[in-house]
Amino acid sequence: RKEVEQDPGPFNVPEGATVAFNCTYSNSASQSFFWYRQDCRKEPKLLMSVYSSGNEDGRFTAQLNRASQYISLLIRDSKLSDSATYLCVVNERNSGYALNFGKGTSLLVTP
Amino acid sequence: NAGVTQTPKFQVLKTGQSMTLQCAQDMNHEYMSWYRQDPGMGLRLIHYSVGAGITDQGEVPNGYNVSRSTTEDFPLRLLSAAPSQTSVYFCASSSFDRNQPQHFGDGTRLSIL
Repeated sequence: RKEVEQDPGPFNVPEGATVAFNCTYSNSASQSFFWYRQDCRKEPKLLMSVYSSGNEDGRFTAQLNRASQYISLLIRDSKLSDSATYLCVVNERNSGYALNFGKGTSLLVTP
Repeated sequence: NAGVTQTPKFQVLKTGQSMTLQCAQDMNHEYMSWYRQDPGMGLRLIHYSVGAGITDQGEVPNGYNVSRSTTEDFPLRLLSAAPSQTSVYFCASSSFDRNQPQHFGDGTRLSIL
């Protein structure tokens, strides 16, 4: 099984801080990339897709580096409500529509 | 719009019992899948389906059966429950577009005693 690797953290940051997560994937045939957010004991929810040119959604910026096979997520001006686990997710061309999940990075934003 | 609905939300079983976890979606998605999530393991794919009448195994299929008689429903059956199947189970669905995300149900928390 091809791997998706993330630093499990936890990342403890104060409100207003900027925090970045990285994720590496081992399958060069990977085709689609996502960041999901999962709150404690809840279902994963899509945070944002990751495009080759990089993309931004408000305080969140995602980057993809295909040559180095890593994905990043930058969160600016952290809010208490950003506390969650962030899952790096990859769809591999040869796996149909199945998603390959990283184990997640835990973020705790403190007052 | 209900999205993906899973029932039950919680269940306790005894070793050797069987049960069915229900999953239904109302988005007319072709692709449906079941994952289990265990502490420190991330989400692992159990079974998936690309349409009615078509199912296939994922990473951890042993001990589970699935069927897909309609586009909307994708039940997961535990044939003879074992303590190792204690987990949180998520059902997900998506359209046939790899650039589209999967939508998850809110999970079934299953304990096997």
